[in-house]
Amino acid sequence: DVKVTQSSRYLVKRTGEKVFLECVQDMDHENMFWYRQDPGLGLRLIYFSYDVKMKEKGDIPEGYSVSREKKERFSLILESASTNQTSMYLCASSWTGGENTEAFFGQGTRLTVV
Amino acid sequence: QKEVEQNSGPLSVPEGAIASLNCTYSDRGSQSFFWYRQYSGKSPELIMSIYSNGDKEDGRFTAQLNKASQYVSLLIRDSQPSDSATYLCAVTLRQAGTALIFGKGTTLSVSS
Repeated sequence: DVKVTQSSRYLVKRTGEKVFLECVQDMDHENMFWYRQDPGLGLRLIYFSYDVKMKEKGDIPEGYSVSREKKERFSLILESASTNQTSMYLCASSWTGGENTEAFFGQGTRLTVV
Repeated sequence: QKEVEQNSGPLSVPEGAIASLNCTYSDRGSQSFFWYRQYSGKSPELIMSIYSNGDKEDGRFTAQLNKASQYVSLLIRDSQPSDSATYLCAVTLRQAGTALIFGKGTTLSVSS
């Protein structure tokens, strides 16, 4: 089975802190995604990566950065956490091409910024 | 701006009925289409994928795709209370460097 693992299930951070959310997948997927999910707003794409060291902005990249130094690991960084970044963060991964391109999700990290 | 639109619901159906969920997308070049189910507090899980025009059936679930109308739907037959969840439609171009875009989801409630 595909496994996508996020480093924390729940996280509480203070305003202004630098926050790292880690995601690891074990299926050699090319693509990795970071989404945030808020009530009524659905899943919004923050950043995605289609190869090592490659990254593309999603719909809401402001206040975030990402790092992908190894194929299996994709990190989301909140440079200076703010209360409006309190949310559920979901990591996902997928293959490119063919007909097996569905994304598999991690368990999610519920981040609270106080 | 690539968009995926869904009715937010809630969609309420009695147990045993057919639930019909709809999704439209804006990018005509889209090639891969997915339906995910998400229970409250949980991550989305894949129910169906569809890549060609027409119907695809898997148990009680049928996905329908009409690329000319840019429309994809999910039918759930013999709906059960355990089907009560939010259903997310997702679309991608299936090319390197392209994102997977989700609709906001439709909440389904199945009453016993």
